[in-house]
Amino acid sequence: DAGVTQSPTHLIKTRGQHVTLRCSPISGHKSVSWYQQVLGQGPQFIFQYYEKEERGRGNFPDRFSARQFPNYSSELNVNALLLGDSALYLCASSLGVAGANVLTFGAGSRLTVL
Amino acid sequence: GEDVEQSLFLSVREGDSSVINCTYTDSSSTYLYWYKQEPGAGLQLLTYIFSNMDMKQDQRLTVLLNKKDKHLSLRIADTQTGDSAIYFCAETFNSGYALNFGKGTSLLVTP
Repeated sequence: DAGVTQSPTHLIKTRGQHVTLRCSPISGHKSVSWYQQVLGQGPQFIFQYYEKEERGRGNFPDRFSARQFPNYSSELNVNALLLGDSALYLCASSLGVAGANVLTFGAGSRLTVL
Repeated sequence: GEDVEQSLFLSVREGDSSVINCTYTDSSSTYLYWYKQEPGAGLQLLTYIFSNMDMKQDQRLTVLLNKKDKHLSLRIADTQTGDSAIYFCAETFNSGYALNFGKGTSLLVTP
């Protein structure tokens, strides 16, 4: 079975540009979460979606947005990129049901903002 | 969330036991997790423990939980060079739907 797949794996943008990152969850998983991992830090929660509804949002500005599609895949959008947005963006999927919220992570999309 | 604290670096000899410590912040966290990250890779779930347990053992891994002190530890028995990685402790928050991670402990296993 395929794991969580993310695209693109690497990308370079300049300040002020916009970026869209994509994620396909494990088959059968209805929840997708997004995390930002800055170099040398632990992942920081950005969003969680379940059944196409936003279930939670971390402490990130409105420049960050996301959505989940009927096939449970997801996009993370970041507008007006800043140098500080350079990070590894991790997508994780889970069943989304009560109990241990076991997240399976993808390999991430590494964004560099110049 | 507030900071989950971990020591930043640990070095052990191959064959020894490793103990990675973590102090979490939210006493209402229902589950606590240990993830492993190898260079250039995403996070891999190692194990998790329900908050009403004191200990969980899974092959070479032993998790100890002290709820009173909000302290979590991960013991790796017979540590191998392939165990070299960054280990993250995480607690649930946002009604259990999100994880609050520590900064990670970099484990170096030397031959």
